[in-house]
Amino acid sequence: EAGVAQSPRYKIIEKRQSVAFWCNPISGHATLYWYQQILGQGPKLLIQFQNNGVVDDSQLPKDRFSAERLKGVDSTLKIQPAKLEDSAVYLCASSLDWGGTNTGELFFGEGSRLTVL
Amino acid sequence: GNSVTQMEGPVTLSEEAFLTINCTYTATGYPSLFWYVQYPGEGLQLLLKATKADDKGSNKGFEATYRKETTSFHLEKGSVQVSDSAVYFCALRSNYQLIWGAGTKLIIKP
Repeated sequence: EAGVAQSPRYKIIEKRQSVAFWCNPISGHATLYWYQQILGQGPKLLIQFQNNGVVDDSQLPKDRFSAERLKGVDSTLKIQPAKLEDSAVYLCASSLDWGGTNTGELFFGEGSRLTVL
Repeated sequence: GNSVTQMEGPVTLSEEAFLTINCTYTATGYPSLFWYVQYPGEGLQLLLKATKADDKGSNKGFEATYRKETTSFHLEKGSVQVSDSAVYFCALRSNYQLIWGAGTKLIIKP
């Protein structure tokens, strides 16, 4: 079974530029998550989709971050304009059940590492 | 609010040593508890879980017991290997969201 796919793996940009990350979840997984992981910290949830609807985006900085999940499958996370503090690894995860309530298991991609100069 | 506290790392051990990584939590109700692991260059993956008090999760020689009286979920392994070197995250599930600890880096020396 194919895992969660993310691209690009690495991205270096100047501040005030824009960047987009792509995620393709495991086939059949209804719930998709985007996390931000700053070095030395645990993952921070940015946005959670159930199919193509947003369940939780309370920690998404909406003035610069946006995300969409068209057709309830793959998803794109965009940052525009980027700030120095956005340097982090952006993790995509998916789960089969609603919020992982039955198993709690999220399946993660390898992440996209962003460096903002 | 809900929170998870893990022991700070890095934790450095010799191969075959006994491992304990402490995790305590604060939560209302009865959360489910998890340990996730992140090997170098790889994504996070579930290591083990426990869904109610006194449950013991186990996988790959690792164990953790859900202790409600001490609000703890400490990770243990009797004999670590170099291949166990990774970052370990404790997490709890509450209101359909995972609350994460900061992670503990484990380094095993041959």
